[in-house]
Amino acid sequence: GDSVTQMEGPVTLSEEAFLTINCTYTATGYPSLFWYVQYPGEGLQLLLKATKADDKGSNKGFEATYRKETTSFHLEKGSVQVSDSAVYFCAPVNFGNEKLTFGTGTRLTIIP
Amino acid sequence: EAQVTQNPRYLITVTGKKLTVTCSQNMNHEYMSWYRQDPGLGLRQIYYSMNVEVTDKGDVPEGYKVSRKEKRNFPLILESPSPNQTSLYFCASSLAGAHNEQFFGPGTRLTVL
Repeated sequence: GDSVTQMEGPVTLSEEAFLTINCTYTATGYPSLFWYVQYPGEGLQLLLKATKADDKGSNKGFEATYRKETTSFHLEKGSVQVSDSAVYFCAPVNFGNEKLTFGTGTRLTIIP
Repeated sequence: EAQVTQNPRYLITVTGKKLTVTCSQNMNHEYMSWYRQDPGLGLRQIYYSMNVEVTDKGDVPEGYKVSRKEKRNFPLILESPSPNQTSLYFCASSLAGAHNEQFFGPGTRLTVL
C-alpha cells in the first residue's frame, strides 16, 4: 500500500527564516500528492497539491514540487511567519485507491 | 456555509458504554471518512464510504462501526469503548474519492476511562 515518511518534528524557526519540511512516499503508479495543514484546535485543511510529475503546487507562499525520480514532495517557504505555526501533513493518493494515508505530521513553531 | 459538523466536540465516558459520534456535511459530497489522531502516530483512517450504503475499512477499523444510510451523514459507533480508543477523532468529506480535497470537521476529543 501507499506509505509516506515525513521529516520528524518539532521544528522551531525564527520569523522570516527559510522552511523545508521533507516528505518522501512509496506508492504504485502516479499518485496525486497533497500537503494539509492543521492550525491549533482545528481540523486539517488543504494547503496545496500536485497531480503529476514536475508539477508545482503553491499557496500562501508555500511551494512543493512533485519529484517522481526521488519520490518526494518537500514543502518550502521562503520567509515564515508566526501565523504559519501549525502541524503539516503530507499525503500521497492514488486515483482508484480510496484509502488515505497521511504522514505522521510535522509540528512547526515560529518564534517572533 | 459549506461545512462538516461533528457532535459532540468533547466526550468523557467509561469503558463498555456504547457511544455514537455524529458527522454531517452539507456539500453533497459522496466520499466521507473517519480518522483518529494520536501523538506520534499522526492521522490514521478508520473507515471510509464512497457513497450511500458503501463503506470500507481503513487502516485501524477494529472496535469501530460506521453506517451510511444518507448521503450527508456518517456516524461513528463505538459499541464497547476501551481506554485505547481515547483519541482525537476527525470526520472528513470530499466530492468523489480520496484524490479530491478533503474537508475536515472540527474534531471530537474522546476520553474513555
